[in-house]
Amino acid sequence: GNSVTQMEGPVTLSEEAFLTINCTYTATGYPSLFWYVQYPGEGLQLLLKATKADDKGSNKGFEATYRKETTSFHLEKGSVQVSDSAVYFCALIMNTGFQKLVFGTGTRLLVSP
Amino acid sequence: SAVISQKPSRDICQRGTSLTIQCQVDSQVTMMFWYRQQPGQSLTLIATANQGSEATYESGFVIDKFPISRPNLTFSTLTVSNMSPEDSSIYLCSVGLQGWETQYFGPGTRLLVL
Repeated sequence: GNSVTQMEGPVTLSEEAFLTINCTYTATGYPSLFWYVQYPGEGLQLLLKATKADDKGSNKGFEATYRKETTSFHLEKGSVQVSDSAVYFCALIMNTGFQKLVFGTGTRLLVSP
Repeated sequence: SAVISQKPSRDICQRGTSLTIQCQVDSQVTMMFWYRQQPGQSLTLIATANQGSEATYESGFVIDKFPISRPNLTFSTLTVSNMSPEDSSIYLCSVGLQGWETQYFGPGTRLLVL
């Protein structure tokens, strides 16, 4: 079946450091890909998405590029802030008929001043 | 996007009781979804709720335990019945916009069962 694999956390960084959170997927076909963020005590917020190969999603300084050849959708940010501390979920959904969102296990990011 | 609210935001309940969670959206949507997030875990889809039809449950979830209502295009409820401590989780509703591909989530209901 379809699945998403994320790097295990927590990822601990100092403020202004470069962030990469790895995400790879397995799917029969070409899914749409998403990053969601969950701040402490809150629900999930859609951070960015990409719907086809080579698309780059971006929002709030975060970026991720849909790489079909490596089946990856790594999340990056050039300079993290303390306020970026949260859990980040990678997810996919197939575009053929109704399919459900498939989530990765989440990666906790801790940014210290 | 959509503005989604949930009530209650959190609750502490006794085992054997039931809790109904409400989800309200600020626009009409066809597809609404209910998820469970157990402590420290990712999200698991409980069911899909379309207006005017029975909810569709995922494997491992049954209507007797998690009855769902969807009376109109802006509202849904999920009931957690005959609760046990294992039901302690965050319950989130989401809606599908731009078709069903992109989902937006409510803030969640944090449930603790003693």
